[in-house]
Amino acid sequence: ILNVEQSPQSLHVQEGDSTNFTCSFPSSNFYALHWYRWETAKSPEALFVMTLNGDEKKKGRISATLNTKEGYSYLYIKGSQPEDSATYLCAFGDQAGTALIFGKGTTLSVSS
Amino acid sequence: AAGVIQSPRHLIKEKRETATLKCYPIPRHDTVYWYQQGPGQDPQFLISFYEKMQSDKGSIPDRFSAQQFSDYHSELNMSSLELGDSALYFCASSLGRGSSYEQYFGPGTRLTVT
Repeated sequence: ILNVEQSPQSLHVQEGDSTNFTCSFPSSNFYALHWYRWETAKSPEALFVMTLNGDEKKKGRISATLNTKEGYSYLYIKGSQPEDSATYLCAFGDQAGTALIFGKGTTLSVSS
Repeated sequence: AAGVIQSPRHLIKEKRETATLKCYPIPRHDTVYWYQQGPGQDPQFLISFYEKMQSDKGSIPDRFSAQQFSDYHSELNMSSLELGDSALYFCASSLGRGSSYEQYFGPGTRLTVT
């Protein structure tokens, strides 16, 4: 059974703090790792898709790294803002097909 | 930019009834995915279609069926509904088949079975 673990489950930070979350996934049959940002009552928004070991991607104040050998990815948010409050989901794709296996997410709350 | 459209957004059904959920992918996207997210759970993959053919099958109950039509929209048919089917059902689409393609999600259909 493929399992994707995210930690922490929830996080509360102050505006301006930098923070990071972890996603752990099976290192065998790795094909892709996705990060999504999901605000309440909205669709999950794709942040990054990473496929290569050592990949680093950045979008504004948010960046992500990937280690496929040890099976983890980090998502970093620099200088958190209240609008960053959301649930951040990671999802693992293996070589077998199209399905993504999701973690339970990290819920971030940023106070001003 | 056009997004994935799902209808209805909310649906209330009674046990043993049937429900049909619809998904309209982003124009030119050829792959559609269905996910089910129960209360407090992570999204679980149900089924996907590529170019109108079933591509992958996940934890979809036998009571559910789905198809992708010639215009690429997809429908998820759910029969003999059970209380445990109450969940948020997401549809996603991508341009290309394979887990390395970015999947764009719709807003979801919240199904409540009473």
